[in-house]
Amino acid sequence: DVKVTQSSRYLVKRTGEKVFLECVQDMDHENMFWYRQDPGLGLRLIYFSYDVKMKEKGDIPEGYSVSREKKERFSLILESASTNQTSMYLCASSLRDREFFGPGTRLTVL
Amino acid sequence: DQQVKQNSPSLSVQEGRISILNCDYTNSMFDYFLWYKKYPAEGPTFLISISSIKDKNEDGRFTVFLNKSAKHLSLHIVPSQPGDSAVYFCAAEGNFGNEKLTFGTGTRLTIIP
Repeated sequence: DVKVTQSSRYLVKRTGEKVFLECVQDMDHENMFWYRQDPGLGLRLIYFSYDVKMKEKGDIPEGYSVSREKKERFSLILESASTNQTSMYLCASSLRDREFFGPGTRLTVL
Repeated sequence: DQQVKQNSPSLSVQEGRISILNCDYTNSMFDYFLWYKKYPAEGPTFLISISSIKDKNEDGRFTVFLNKSAKHLSLHIVPSQPGDSAVYFCAAEGNFGNEKLTFGTGTRLTIIP
């Protein structure tokens, strides 16, 4: 079974803090994705990566950056957290058109 | 611009009856469609998919129908069970040379015992 893990299930940060969300997959997938899920807006793609050290912007990259130093790990970085970044963050990796998701990190920015 | 739309944010269905969830898309370059199911506090899990060369795909209680001319797909669940209560997302992938999915806004399905 594919396993995608995220470093935290719940996180509370203050405005202006730097936030790291970590994601690890154990199936040697090349593609990895970061989404945020908000009520009424569905899943929106923030960034994705097709290979180590490679990244591409998704639909809503503003305020975020990513890092992919190893194939199995894809990190989402909020350089200076803001209250409008309070959301559920979902990481995924994909194989042949099918994405496998982690359990999500619910981030609250105060 | 929402390229994949689920116009019903919520749906309630009696246990044992058929649940029909709908999804519309605007981009004619989409050629592969998926449904994901999401329980609270969990990540979405893959449910069923369909390629644009087909108009129907069935897997147990779940059937997905695709109407390319109308740019419409639907997920049928029959019979509906209490464990089907969840948020359902449709997603679409295009022939763009990548595996990026575009998701709809989701429909919350509640099965009434």
